[in-house]
Parts: sequence; C-alpha cells; structure tokens
Amino acid sequence: QKEVEQDPGPLSVPEGAIVSLNCTYSNSAFQYFMWYRQYSRKGPELLMYTYSSGNKEDGRFTAQVDKSSKYISLFIRDSQPSDSATYLCAMTRHSYNQGGKLIFGQGTELSVKP
Amino acid sequence: EADIYQTPRYLVIGTGKKITLECSQTMGHDKMYWYQQDPGMELHLIHYSYGVNSTEKGDLSSESTVSRIRTEHFPLTLESARPSHTSQYLCASSVRQGYNEQFFGPGTRLTVL
Repeated sequence: QKEVEQDPGPLSVPEGAIVSLNCTYSNSAFQYFMWYRQYSRKGPELLMYTYSSGNKEDGRFTAQVDKSSKYISLFIRDSQPSDSATYLCAMTRHSYNQGGKLIFGQGTELSVKP
Repeated sequence: EADIYQTPRYLVIGTGKKITLECSQTMGHDKMYWYQQDPGMELHLIHYSYGVNSTEKGDLSSESTVSRIRTEHFPLTLESARPSHTSQYLCASSVRQGYNEQFFGPGTRLTVL
C-alpha cells in the first residue's frame, strides 16, 4: 500500500469554480504537509506549506490538514485558466533539519476551462 | 523563479550509451536531490546530498550514480543506459536550515531506445 494516495484525475472545471484536491495518507507520523504545482514541461513549485492539523489560507488557495482522518485538502476559489496544472501533495515525518524526506502523491491534473 | 538548471532538457539515446544529466543551482543550497517522475506516478527520490562529498541513495533503487564535488553542481550518471531508464528526471535543492522548501529544476526527459 502506498503511503500517500492522491486521485490522479484528470479534473476539468469551468472558470470560477471552487476546486477541491485531496490526499490521504497512512503514516500517522507525518507532520509537515505541502502542495506543489507543476505546469506542463516544468518542475514542481511549492504552493502551500502547513505544519500539523489546521487550515492555512493564501489568496485564493486554502490548505487543510486533518491528522485524525489522515486527510489533506487544497481548495482553490474562483479558479482561473492559469490554475491549469498538476497538483502534487507531499509530506514528511519531520523537519528537513532532521533529515526528513518528502513523500509525494501521484498528482492530480487540473484543467480550468474559460 | 528558482535558479536551478538542468541540461539537457530532452535526450534520446541508444541502449548501452553512457549519459550524464547535469544539474546546477546558484542559490548556495547545501541540500540537493534527484527524483524520477513517470506519468501518473509519484516522484521517487533516487539520490540526495547534504553537501560537498556527501551522497546517499534514495528510496527508489536506481542504477545511476551521483557526485557532489562542488556545492552548486550535482550531476547524475548512467554508465549504460537501458530502455527501463526512460523517465523524467528532476533535480531539486533546499537550504540545510529552517524552512526547507525544495526548489525544482525544469527536468530532463530521457528516452532510451
């Protein structure tokens, strides 16, 4: 069983829609949770970073972590065509200061239609 | 945009050839990583380095090797390429202390015929 599961999609939504992207994980030791965005033919770039449970908001993006359910989400409000990309969740057991490695989900391909 | 570079961006090569994928960063980061990414699959860590003369194998077994002679440079070498090595290879770097955001290069798409 994979440590991190992510629905690969593809997901297609109209412009302005609210998008929900989700990952589940099996290792309760994960503490740091990240969302990366990867445009076609580019490397991933960090979008959101959260520690432990709770919500974090940055503009149109909200990251949510529910450690009791081992479930993380990324919400995109008022989605734009420029949000079309593959979104990767990633997590680690402890801070990179202590040598933690990132475990990635498979990525969800999102397409926002004008 | 992060200052991490990978060359070549695309490489098509025959079986048995020796290849080196280049990765350079100008941010002075101590930590560097190589990932393998296949369509619809998660990124798998194949090598990492915490600094000059430090290299470790990642979670995914790989026939490739790496070296870290200079802080800014982390090349990956395949001595004898095979079709099973066909994949996207991503290089990343991060600072050793504090908030460890990984900065990724654009990737090298390798096809071995």
